[in-house]
Amino acid sequence: GDSVTQTEGQVTVSESKSLIINCTYSTTSIAYPNLFWYVRYPGEGLQLLLKVITAGQKGSSRGFEATYNKETTSFHLQKASVQESDSAVYYCALGDMGYKLTFGTGTSLLVDP
Amino acid sequence: EAAVTQSPRSKVAVTGGKVTLSCHQTNNHDYMYWYRQDTGHGLRLIHYSYVADSTEKGDIPDGYKASRPSQENFSLILELASLSQTAVYFCASSAQVANSDYTFGSGTRLLVI
Repeated sequence: GDSVTQTEGQVTVSESKSLIINCTYSTTSIAYPNLFWYVRYPGEGLQLLLKVITAGQKGSSRGFEATYNKETTSFHLQKASVQESDSAVYYCALGDMGYKLTFGTGTSLLVDP
Repeated sequence: EAAVTQSPRSKVAVTGGKVTLSCHQTNNHDYMYWYRQDTGHGLRLIHYSYVADSTEKGDIPDGYKASRPSQENFSLILELASLSQTAVYFCASSAQVANSDYTFGSGTRLLVI
């Protein structure tokens, strides 16, 4: 089956510093999966941050970027300069060309002002 | 604005009691999903539905039933609530397109005592 691994459960970063949240995936599908980052702000539901459907491409949104690397099966989320308002839980997810998404365990980001 | 609304926002239930979580969407989406989240786990799929009056089992369906009486409404039913079902439950909807973006509700926090 499919799986998504996020190794960091919680990350603390000072405001204006750079961020990287790691995500690796595994799939038994013969096709390359679609990859997503969702974000959950306090008191809200998850919302799509960015999505990449083509291996080798980069997605970006709200200053965040993630590159779909099929060689290393990774989809790390990066931001050059975080803000306090970025504090949230970030979920990496994989779609195997069907309708179901497989999610990672989530990484809680705390930005110190 | 298209949305997914869950009710209640939180609930305390007694062991062995019946619990019903409700979800309503205004997205005109065919697919609806119920996920649960526990600390240390990603979102795990319980049940989903792609058409009214039909539901499908997800990855962890044991102890849960689902009901889709209309395109807009999707309920999750715990006939005999157990302590292990304490979790946050998310409802989501998506269009009938492979790997379509999900729209999530804000979650229901369930505590079984």
